[in-house]
Amino acid sequence: ILNVEQSPQSLHVQEGDSTNFTCSFPSSNFYALHWYRWETAKSPEALFVMTLNGDEKKKGRISATLNTKEGYSYLYIKGSQPEDSATYLCASLPNTGNQFYFGTGTSLTVIP
Amino acid sequence: DAEITQSPRHKITETGRQVTLACHQTWNHNNMFWYRQDLGHGLRLIHYSYGVHDTNKGEVSDGYSVSRSNTEDLPLTLESAASSQTSVYFCASAQTGILADTQYFGPGTRLTVL
Repeated sequence: ILNVEQSPQSLHVQEGDSTNFTCSFPSSNFYALHWYRWETAKSPEALFVMTLNGDEKKKGRISATLNTKEGYSYLYIKGSQPEDSATYLCASLPNTGNQFYFGTGTSLTVIP
Repeated sequence: DAEITQSPRHKITETGRQVTLACHQTWNHNNMFWYRQDLGHGLRLIHYSYGVHDTNKGEVSDGYSVSRSNTEDLPLTLESAASSQTSVYFCASAQTGILADTQYFGPGTRLTVL
């Protein structure tokens, strides 16, 4: 079992603020990291797939970075909007196994 | 449009009963997964399949079984439901291997075992 941790557990920000949160995973045997966005009453929706150390991915106002040597990924949201309110999940895949291990998520609430 | 569906969306059952949750995808994906989601835990893998007639145990497989008779469906069976299996269950599919492939999730089934 892989220990994937996300912090903070929850976050409230004002509309227009930029924010970021962290996903930590074991750096040894790393293969891939996924970020998902999960809105209440919906299913998780893929944001990014990251595999290489130093990877940076961007989708609109959301971006992510990956550091496989130290075992963390940051997700950034620039100029948060109320529609960004969701739980953001990361999942790590080790190269020794064949299943993803999910963190418990960061719940983001953007206050208008 | 291709999609992944789950049924039922909500189910209440009694301890000891057999329950089957359906998952159907029209992506034509080879790989399908079942997860459960509980407070304080991330999504935890129950079973997965890489193709027809292939099934594998995940992290929390005890008390669950799956079968894959075609590409589109991976039903999850709780042989004898227990209260500890009260959870929200998500099915997912991915195209070719899970190494770097995005998983597409269904809408979830909320199961309550009384």
